[in-house]
Amino acid sequence: NAGVTQTPKFRVLKTGQSMTLLCAQDMNHEYMYWYRQDPGMGLRLIHYSVGEGTTAKGEVPDGYNVSRLKKQNFLLGLESAAPSQTSVYFCASSARALTEAFFGQGTRLTVV
Amino acid sequence: GESVGLHLPTLSVQEGDNSIINCAYSNSASDYFIWYKQESGKGPQFIIDIRSNMDKRQGQRVTVLLNKTVKHLSLQIAATQPGDSAVYFCAEISYYGNNRLAFGKGNQVVVIP
Repeated sequence: NAGVTQTPKFRVLKTGQSMTLLCAQDMNHEYMYWYRQDPGMGLRLIHYSVGEGTTAKGEVPDGYNVSRLKKQNFLLGLESAAPSQTSVYFCASSARALTEAFFGQGTRLTVV
Repeated sequence: GESVGLHLPTLSVQEGDNSIINCAYSNSASDYFIWYKQESGKGPQFIIDIRSNMDKRQGQRVTVLLNKTVKHLSLQIAATQPGDSAVYFCAEISYYGNNRLAFGKGNQVVVIP
């Protein structure tokens, strides 16, 4: 079983460029999350979704947009990348609210 | 490469000893708590969870204790092994709140052989 798969694994962007990170899960989970992780900061929630067609803001949503057009996919978009968005991005999914979340392997993004 | 463990509280423990990792959570209305382990270059992995109506739960070599009075969570690892070296995060979620899975900043555990 693949679980949670993130694409791409690594990316370097120039300031002002745009890109989309793809998260796919094959567990039929309702909830999906996007986090960013910076050294010493733990994981901070960017956006999340509690079901197909729904999205909500997390702790640090500015500069990011998301879409959940299909239940199995959760896309994270950067419209105009900034160096402050250099980070490791993790996607996660969970079946319901009070169950464990499964994480992808991460995407390392560098904005120069 | 970049380490998620930089600037985190670090616990150094001798192999074979027991480890105790502490976490203070913020939301008194949180219903569910999870401990995650993150090894370098990987995503967080589930270790054990506990619901707010419990104060203790045991797994294989791990025990989670919940003290709701002081909003404190701890993870005990018995007979710590080199493979336990990682960053450990506690996470909380409130079902009737915003349904966000919120993480603490993490604790690094270094096992000394």
